[in-house]
Amino acid sequence: GEDVEQSLFLSVREGDSSVINCTYTDSSSTYLYWYKQEPGAGLQLLTYIFSNMDMKQDQRLTVLLNKKDKHLSLRIADTQTGDSAIYFCAESIRGADGLTFGKGTHLIIQP
Amino acid sequence: DAGITQSPRHKVTETGTPVTLRCHQTENHRYMYWYRQDPGHGLRLIHYSYGVKDTDKGEVSDGYSVSRSKTEDFLLTLESATSSQTSVYFCAISETGLAGTNEQFFGPGTRLTVL
Repeated sequence: GEDVEQSLFLSVREGDSSVINCTYTDSSSTYLYWYKQEPGAGLQLLTYIFSNMDMKQDQRLTVLLNKKDKHLSLRIADTQTGDSAIYFCAESIRGADGLTFGKGTHLIIQP
Repeated sequence: DAGITQSPRHKVTETGTPVTLRCHQTENHRYMYWYRQDPGHGLRLIHYSYGVKDTDKGEVSDGYSVSRSKTEDFLLTLESATSSQTSVYFCAISETGLAGTNEQFFGPGTRLTVL
């Protein structure tokens, strides 16, 4: 079956790097995504990675994918107060079917 | 931001009443989705549409129906609302190309409370 797991909370100091982790169970995942949700808002697509890649970098964001271990991570460099949000990992199995989401990780920034 | 609106943004209703939520897009994307977000569950797929009049069930479709008579509109109906349907409902759109990326863009959400 499909299952995506994430830690519920992560606390980091402003200026440090944040690493948010995700594990998934379905080996047939084709794409994996990271979304950001700020309070009272919808989900904003941050980045995604194709399953045959192992890394993708986009400005302050780095996605690492270990397909053997079914482990995905999102690294945010130089974390700022504006990065405070819930981050969701999601997987896509088939084409345009719906995404399967993790429960989300609350990123808390300490001054 | 993708042109997606949801209406109403907030609604309070009573158990047993019918409720319809609307999602409207201006992007002409083919695929549309309804999710619900609940504490401790993340987002779960209710129904989705892959074209006008073409819909399919998601993980948590019981108690919900959908309709899509135009590309731009996707309606979610609760025929007889129950307290367990109190949630935040999100609409999403996608235009999955040949690469099959299925990037989904989300609307602002509708907060529904069933008393």
